[in-house]
Amino acid sequence: GAGVSQSPSNKVTEKGKDVELRCDPISGHTALYWYRQRLGQGLEFLIYFQGNSAPDKSGLPSDRFSAERTGESVSTLTIQRTQQEDSAVYLCASSSPPGGPKDTQYFGPGTRLTVL
Amino acid sequence: GDSVTQMEGPVTLSEEAFLTINCTYTATGYPSLFWYVQYPGEGLQLLLKATKADDKGSNKGFEATYRKETTSFHLEKGSVQVSDSAVYFCALNLDTGRRALTFGSGTRLQVQP
Repeated sequence: GAGVSQSPSNKVTEKGKDVELRCDPISGHTALYWYRQRLGQGLEFLIYFQGNSAPDKSGLPSDRFSAERTGESVSTLTIQRTQQEDSAVYLCASSSPPGGPKDTQYFGPGTRLTVL
Repeated sequence: GDSVTQMEGPVTLSEEAFLTINCTYTATGYPSLFWYVQYPGEGLQLLLKATKADDKGSNKGFEATYRKETTSFHLEKGSVQVSDSAVYFCALNLDTGRRALTFGSGTRLQVQP
């Protein structure tokens, strides 16, 4: 597709349930990022994938959070045993090779997660 | 650690007014600097960027100059329109280490007709 897509656009879940969020990056983009945006705040980095290298997981807030990426395509972010403080908009971004810092990151529309 | 500080909003202006949104940063090294914009109901979009000192990024009438001596990247526009109403985020990215963007907390701009 033309841009980064994410699904679902909205997710409402009960505390303690697991959720899975999906990101489809722009075709050909080797770098993929997940960020979290809490209400009224800036974006917090969660995890970074670059090609077949080991992902940078340094931003994941707890071991309840994990993410996978198949090759240079789709990525899924999984949150286990959700808590109310996990409520946020989860944003995915991708950038073109070599994924260096000067490359522009293109963002998807986000998934709004609400934990009741 | 690396950080970005933006002026708090909301900023409310009348149409055709001059806009400045301040952004300063702290970084170990020489970052690239970005302004992203989030229009109501839409995703983040890159507005402009600058990758080295004294560079000026510009787009859609907005400008920002990378000032290494003051560690600043203030966003300016000479004449705002109602359609500029959005949340603006300043961000940086370093040449080394983690490649993720470090964002400021965002500044909401509201332009009144």
